[in-house]
Amino acid sequence: NAGVTQTPKFRILKIGQSMTLQCTQDMNHNYMYWYRQDPGMGLKLIYYSVGAGITDKGEVPNGYNVSRSTTEDFPLRLELAAPSQTSVYFCASRPYRASSSFGQGTRLTVV
Amino acid sequence: KNEVEQSPQNLTAQEGEFITINCSYSVGISALHWLQQHPGGGIVSLFMLSSGKKKHGRLIATINIQEKHSSLHITASHPRDSAVYICGAAKLIFGTGTRLQVFP
Repeated sequence: NAGVTQTPKFRILKIGQSMTLQCTQDMNHNYMYWYRQDPGMGLKLIYYSVGAGITDKGEVPNGYNVSRSTTEDFPLRLELAAPSQTSVYFCASRPYRASSSFGQGTRLTVV
Repeated sequence: KNEVEQSPQNLTAQEGEFITINCSYSVGISALHWLQQHPGGGIVSLFMLSSGKKKHGRLIATINIQEKHSSLHITASHPRDSAVYICGAAKLIFGTGTRLQVFP
């Protein structure tokens, strides 16, 4: 098992550009999550999904969109990137009533 | 008031000391999660517990559902335990973490 794979690991965007952060898991986990972590701060939940076709907003969803067309994939879309979206993004997945697995993170800088 | 609060925010210890990190939450939960984030940034899930106590090696996690409180204990701490420890509740709403440094 590869676990949770995030791509890319690093990215620099210009203000107003858009991009998709990819997240794939091969563990057949139903639950998937996207977080952002700002320097010195905790993890903030952006969006989550409890299964294919089902997504819901977390604490900080503005400026982001997600989709969950398959169990394996949970991409995060940034439209019109802003400097406030400079952060490290983590994807996580877990099965029902069990611990999470985290991806390695994507370090995004918007300039 | 944050829904998940941890204490202390920072903790230093000498190698071999017994360490306790506390987590209080105000939301209803079905389970509480403890994570470890190393200086390189990677995150590892340590425990998910909904009652009682769980042990893994030198790490012990306890939870009191009635008091909405959980503790993470590290016995015989070691410099390699230096990391940020994060607790999370409900839809994985996380505290800001406890930064632990263990000195030899």
